[in-house]
Amino acid sequence: DAGVIQSPRHEVTEMGQEVTLRCKPISGHDYLFWYRQTMMRGLELLIYFNNNVPIDDSGMPEDRFSAKMPNASFSTLKIQPSEPRDSAVYFCASSFQAITDTQYFGPGTRLTVL
Amino acid sequence: GENVEQHPSTLSVQEGDSAVIKCTYSDSASNYFPWYKQELGKRPQLIIDIRSNVGEKKDQRIAVTLNKTAKHFSLHITETQPEDSAVYFCAAKGNNDMRFGAGTRLTVKP
Repeated sequence: DAGVIQSPRHEVTEMGQEVTLRCKPISGHDYLFWYRQTMMRGLELLIYFNNNVPIDDSGMPEDRFSAKMPNASFSTLKIQPSEPRDSAVYFCASSFQAITDTQYFGPGTRLTVL
Repeated sequence: GENVEQHPSTLSVQEGDSAVIKCTYSDSASNYFPWYKQELGKRPQLIIDIRSNVGEKKDQRIAVTLNKTAKHFSLHITETQPEDSAVYFCAAKGNNDMRFGAGTRLTVKP
């Protein structure tokens, strides 16, 4: 298996633009997580899905952020409109059957909002 | 919700020495405590975890201890090597969420 796949790896955009980050979890994994990592705030869990259903989105910073998982092999994290303070590395991770199973992280998307 | 504090924020040791990183958590219902290692520019990777029904777990040079009464858990690395240099994160799973510590930057000097 190729592991968790994220695209793009790097994204540079201007303030106010819409940004869409993509993730393909490991095949057969029921859980998918979106994290954000910054120097100031460290690693934060934004939202996670179980069998494509959002379970906890309490970490989503504000309404500008939204996440979807239309099927078991694809998820998106969208920021609209983007702001400079959204600049961070966004990681997607997946785990087999429980939040307490080993989470495998993707390579991350480095987002820079100018 | 859960709140996790991690200490120290930086740790420098000589190769061969031991390193200890400590975390405290606030939610007594937390039942799962993973530790992640993140090398510079790379993704976090799980190195060891412990569940609330266990007090200690070991995997070669790495061990984790859990004190549920005091609500703290620790990562112990023995015989440190330069390749252990990385940022280490602890985490605690509450009812529905996972909270991470701020991270410890470990440097192992050869």
